[in-house]
Amino acid sequence: QQQVKQSPQSLIVQKGGIPIINCAYENTAFDYFPWYQQFPGKGPALLIAIRPDVSEKKEGRFTISFNKSAKQFSLHIMDSQPGDSATYFCAASRNYGGSQGNLIFGKGTKLSVKP
Amino acid sequence: NAGVMQNPRHLVRRRGQEARLRCSPMKGHSHVYWYRQLPEEGLKFMVYLQKENIIDESGMPKERFSAEFPKEGPSILRIQQVVRGDSAAYFCASSLRPLAGGSTDTQYFGPGTRLTVL
Repeated sequence: QQQVKQSPQSLIVQKGGIPIINCAYENTAFDYFPWYQQFPGKGPALLIAIRPDVSEKKEGRFTISFNKSAKQFSLHIMDSQPGDSATYFCAASRNYGGSQGNLIFGKGTKLSVKP
Repeated sequence: NAGVMQNPRHLVRRRGQEARLRCSPMKGHSHVYWYRQLPEEGLKFMVYLQKENIIDESGMPKERFSAEFPKEGPSILRIQQVVRGDSAAYFCASSLRPLAGGSTDTQYFGPGTRLTVL
């Protein structure tokens, strides 16, 4: 119930390609779905986040697609660049009577963008 | 505005010693979360604190681990009698208020403390 399943574990694309990372969840009480980017030796940094009342959100080259009925959401990176090479984590959290709780993270996807 | 600060960045302890990890949230943030990351794994929630209160400690082992966030000073994650399995990266995050909608709810992460238990 508390799990967030992320795939693929690793991904290699050419520069300019569109990597897609997928996540699925079970708990229908989740109502906040962020994506974090992490470089080696650094803490995660928020990329983009979505709530279930919209099906898509775009910020720059990053787009989240959200399918509430399938309980799935995905991250698309347009025109990927070598600098996008990092580990990407999806996460989810739920609201506890007005107070949002902790983030449940997927296991991460290691993305490598080849020049 | 400085980000979330954690120290030390690297900590080496022998089995049985105590480890103290410190986290200073972003200015104005009163909500702190601690997460643990094992190699090649995602982050696992440990504890959520607000000033002087533990809100949710459901992810923290019942023994040897404790956390506090005093009225003054940083949040502290304390691990007593460390074992090799405690070796991991420990991340602290802070938010302006609990996630409830809007950009101010974001959890901002620190650079982490990498604990190695020999």
